[in-house]
Amino acid sequence: GIQVEQSPPDLILQEGANSTLRCNFSDSVNNLQWFHQNPWGQLINLFYIPSGTKQNGRLSATTVATERYSLLYISSSQTTDSGVYFCAVEGGNQFYFGTGTSLTVIP
Amino acid sequence: NAGVMQNPRHLVRRRGQEARLRCSPMKGHSHVYWYRQLPEEGLKFMVYLQKENIIDESGMPKERFSAEFPKEGPSILRIQQVVRGDSAAYFCASSPGVSGNTEAFFGQGTRLTVV
Repeated sequence: GIQVEQSPPDLILQEGANSTLRCNFSDSVNNLQWFHQNPWGQLINLFYIPSGTKQNGRLSATTVATERYSLLYISSSQTTDSGVYFCAVEGGNQFYFGTGTSLTVIP
Repeated sequence: NAGVMQNPRHLVRRRGQEARLRCSPMKGHSHVYWYRQLPEEGLKFMVYLQKENIIDESGMPKERFSAEFPKEGPSILRIQQVVRGDSAAYFCASSPGVSGNTEAFFGQGTRLTVV
């Protein structure tokens, strides 16, 4: 299967700070998505980004498929950004998930 | 357009009982995936189904677990004779499954507790 590595595993930020989360994957993929799992366990779609760059408010993402990595940028972080951020790549018949980056934003 | 609907949200079963988890995909989606998440871990693939077909069940335990996606009605993940180790959050996802658009959306999950 496809290996997905996320870094850093844990991140603590002061409210208002910026951060970059990274996702490396081991093989060519058809699809890459970023999710936010909130403290209630719900998985929220952030980006569907097999390649290129997208922006949505304070969040943006870039995937460089040829180099097998994706970056998620969070600017001006807020306490509601806390939770776990997962990268998932589609290969074959399934999505392979990384182990996530656990983000805590403190006021 | 309602999202992926899973029920129940929480399920408590005694050891040896059966658990049935239901998933209704988003309208227009014909592909369903089931994933399991253990505490403090990522999501692990279990099974991928299309209507009336199991496409890939390579992540399913060989015994006690089964899944179906009938022509009518929701997809069902069934766990027979549950054990404590089955306690986890079970997530369902659906996607259109068409070339160029395979974005998956997840339900809110069913949290199974085996006592």
